[in-house]
Amino acid sequence: DVKVTQSSRYLVKRTGEKVFLECVQDMDHENMFWYRQDPGLGLRLIYFSYDVKMKEKGDIPEGYSVSREKKERFSLILESASTNQTSMYLCASSLSRTPYGYNEQFFGPGTRLTVL
Amino acid sequence: AQKVTQAQTEISVVEKEDVTLDCVYETRDTTYYLFWYKQPPSGELVFLIRRNSFDEQNEISGRYSWNFQKSTSSFNFTITASQVVDSAVYFCALSRGTLNNQGGKLIFGQGTELSVKP
Repeated sequence: DVKVTQSSRYLVKRTGEKVFLECVQDMDHENMFWYRQDPGLGLRLIYFSYDVKMKEKGDIPEGYSVSREKKERFSLILESASTNQTSMYLCASSLSRTPYGYNEQFFGPGTRLTVL
Repeated sequence: AQKVTQAQTEISVVEKEDVTLDCVYETRDTTYYLFWYKQPPSGELVFLIRRNSFDEQNEISGRYSWNFQKSTSSFNFTITASQVVDSAVYFCALSRGTLNNQGGKLIFGQGTELSVKP
């Protein structure tokens, strides 16, 4: 059974704290993604990675950074958390096989982050 | 630019009713892929179906069916004889068919929250 796991389901942090969200997949997928989900806005891509140590900005990268030191693990970092980063964060992974764009993404259960 | 629009924010039906979730997309690519995902209350998005831009055949899987029409840039999802377990948020998404690996990025619609009442 394929699995994407995220380190926490719920997280409460204070403004200004550094926050780490961890994601691990056991499917040997090349691609990994971080999204945030907000009501009425759907899922918006923050960052993605198509290989170890490679990263690309998504649509809303401001205030975030990422790290991918191992193929199975993709971390999202909030350098200095702010209240407008209160959201649901979803991690996903997918294969990188031709035809590109074809492969579905597999999602983790999400982390609901509240920044006070 | 690519865009996916799900105009229905919330839909509420009574069990056994049929319901259609609308999805309209915009792209200038000739090769692209369309997806539907289901997000139950547990939060984890579950892949339901994928269509490529060259295959306009409708698809049926049990009570679920999908209607892909390039002429109207729509990829609608119908649930027949809805059940309470169908209650979830449903997302339509689009990815580009590319010649290199750009990570298989998905562009999501806003989602439609379906509530099926007993």
